[in-house]
Amino acid sequence: KQEVTQIPAALSVPEGENLVLNCSFTDSAIYNLQWFRQDPGKGLTSLLLIQSSQREQTSGRLNASLDKSSGRSTLYIAASQPGDSATYLCAGGSSNTGKLIFGQGTTLQVKP
Amino acid sequence: GAVVSQHPSWVICKSGTSVKIECRSLDFQATTMFWYRQFPKQSLMLMATSNEGSKATYEQGVEKDKFLINHASLTLSTLTVTSAHPEDSSFYICSARTGQRLASNQPQHFGDGTRLSIL
Repeated sequence: KQEVTQIPAALSVPEGENLVLNCSFTDSAIYNLQWFRQDPGKGLTSLLLIQSSQREQTSGRLNASLDKSSGRSTLYIAASQPGDSATYLCAGGSSNTGKLIFGQGTTLQVKP
Repeated sequence: GAVVSQHPSWVICKSGTSVKIECRSLDFQATTMFWYRQFPKQSLMLMATSNEGSKATYEQGVEKDKFLINHASLTLSTLTVTSAHPEDSSFYICSARTGQRLASNQPQHFGDGTRLSIL
């Protein structure tokens, strides 16, 4: 059974700092891995999608990597801004079940 | 592109009422739609998967008679919470994607969610 874990659960950093959010998964049989952003009381905004054949994806200040062999993905945020404050969720798409399994999320606060 | 619209965004109703939530794909054909539930400060839990024209597949522990799902067209799925009670209060989010194949590599596109409060 696929389990997705995110560390840390919460993170507070000063504005301008570079940071890394971690995501680990137990079953390497994933067909893709997605990173989402969720603002309080809102739905999900897709940030980056990495197919199983890819190692990383970049969008602006965001870079996500995927290492299937070690069961890890990271989301790198460069030059963080207060507007980046939100909960970040990673989710692995299981090749066996076709379902998206979510981690518990990392709540990020970027202080001005 | 790939916009999913969910309606209503917030609903408050009395215990015993049935509530219908709509999920629409606005600019693509959603052969598969998913319904999730999220409790405060927790992650998303998949409730059911529906393919257009087929019966929904429910996750273990989800009452199919309680949460009725209809996916009658390629752009619309509905979730009806029947005879809702306070314990059904939660944040419900739908997602949609193309591709019916089980492990489709197409991304899921999410709606903005519906906050359901049962008094």
